[in-house]
Amino acid sequence: GAGVSQSPRYKVAKRGQDVALRCDPISGHVSLFWYQQALGQGPEFLTYFQNEAQLDKSGLPSDRFFAERPEGSVSTLKIQRTQQEDSAVYLCASSSYPTGPNQPQHFGDGTRLSIL
Amino acid sequence: SQQGEEDPQALSIQEGENATMNCSYKTSINNLQWYRQNSGRGLVHLILIRSNEREKHSGRLRVTLDTSKKSSSLLITASRAADTASYFCATEGGNYQLIWGAGTKLIIKP
Repeated sequence: GAGVSQSPRYKVAKRGQDVALRCDPISGHVSLFWYQQALGQGPEFLTYFQNEAQLDKSGLPSDRFFAERPEGSVSTLKIQRTQQEDSAVYLCASSSYPTGPNQPQHFGDGTRLSIL
Repeated sequence: SQQGEEDPQALSIQEGENATMNCSYKTSINNLQWYRQNSGRGLVHLILIRSNEREKHSGRLRVTLDTSKKSSSLLITASRAADTASYFCATEGGNYQLIWGAGTKLIIKP
């Protein structure tokens, strides 16, 4: 497709369950980002991939969060043993950076995660 | 942590009026970007202004940047109902990371 695609759009899980969120970036985009957005707030950076390499995971809140992009295209964000504070919208974005400077990021519509 | 602060937090105006939103940031930047987010959707890139630029236009949008004051403004002229959304500024400081503000919620009344 032409844009960034995320699935599922909504996910409800019980506390303690594992979840996996998928991101399909724009074809050919080198960079892929994951963000967490709490209600009424701006996005908070989680992690960054350049192709298949995870160059920065400093924003991941705990070791329960894990992201991968094994073939440099689709990415999965996994959260193990979910907690209520994990409830948020998880946004994925891609860009053609670093092929050129000052590149905008293109966002998917996010996955709204609710932990009961 | 969030670097940018948008002001005001919320803005409600009549259709046809101009809307101005401000963004302040803390550290030096390579560029500053404005994004729009409709309810329940992802963010849409509106405009990017580089640190050596002072003003930029795109359609009904006008962005200014004052690096000495570490601030930017977004002006939307002749607002429309479809402009109702949250608007975020994001700064890029020389690496790939965007640092975001908390956003301004804009409501355009018909």
